[in-house]
Amino acid sequence: QITLKESGPTLVKPTQTLTLTCTFSGFSLSTSGVGVGWIRQPPGKALEWVALIYWDDDKRFSPSLKRRLTITKDTSKNQVVLTMTNMNPVDTATYYCAHFEDYYDSSGRYYYSGLDVWGQGTTVTVSS
Amino acid sequence: EIVLTQSPGTLSLSPGERATLSCRASQSVSSSNLAWYQHKPGQAPRLLIYAATSRATGTPDRFSGSGSGTDFTLTISRLEPEDFAVYYCQQYDRSPPRLTFGGGTKVEIK
Repeated sequence: QITLKESGPTLVKPTQTLTLTCTFSGFSLSTSGVGVGWIRQPPGKALEWVALIYWDDDKRFSPSLKRRLTITKDTSKNQVVLTMTNMNPVDTATYYCAHFEDYYDSSGRYYYSGLDVWGQGTTVTVSS
Repeated sequence: EIVLTQSPGTLSLSPGERATLSCRASQSVSSSNLAWYQHKPGQAPRLLIYAATSRATGTPDRFSGSGSGTDFTLTISRLEPEDFAVYYCQQYDRSPPRLTFGGGTKVEIK
């Protein structure tokens, strides 16, 4: 059974750096084709993609946030850490991490699982 | 950059009715990379459909996905009380890798 759980501060001040940790179980982020994504939802708004990290340590970021983001994985601890610098009140949101898979199978058929398991989310408020 | 436009923004229906939700892409997308999610307040989003038409584990068969190219549809054949929620489509680009979400459709009780 795959589970993920986000952790981090609930309140940060403007200009500070946010560090969020996604701790997971039931899969390995060193297995070919596996990835973890970060997605956020500001209050009253739609879901917004933030970042992806893959089994091979490939990393991708939302273009609008790219300059402020870092993402790392620790496969021994089963954790993914997202950092976002220069926090602003518009970054107030619930932040989720989620598991996905993306690969070609032995017969050459492509498979994308969707974001098939999500963490419960962690709410971050940016305010002085 | 692909933009996903969902319509309508809000759908007001009664239990037992059929719901048809639309997701239109600004350019053609691979059906393999199109997913639908259900999101209820205070809960994590839940994957309903992947690869445009495949139901995720645990998704009731009253949910179905269809479409290709730029037009995709999520249909709920008969609304149950627990189906009133916000629904998002999502597209995954492999090269370069990125995710895109639509703006969501809220299905509310009429």
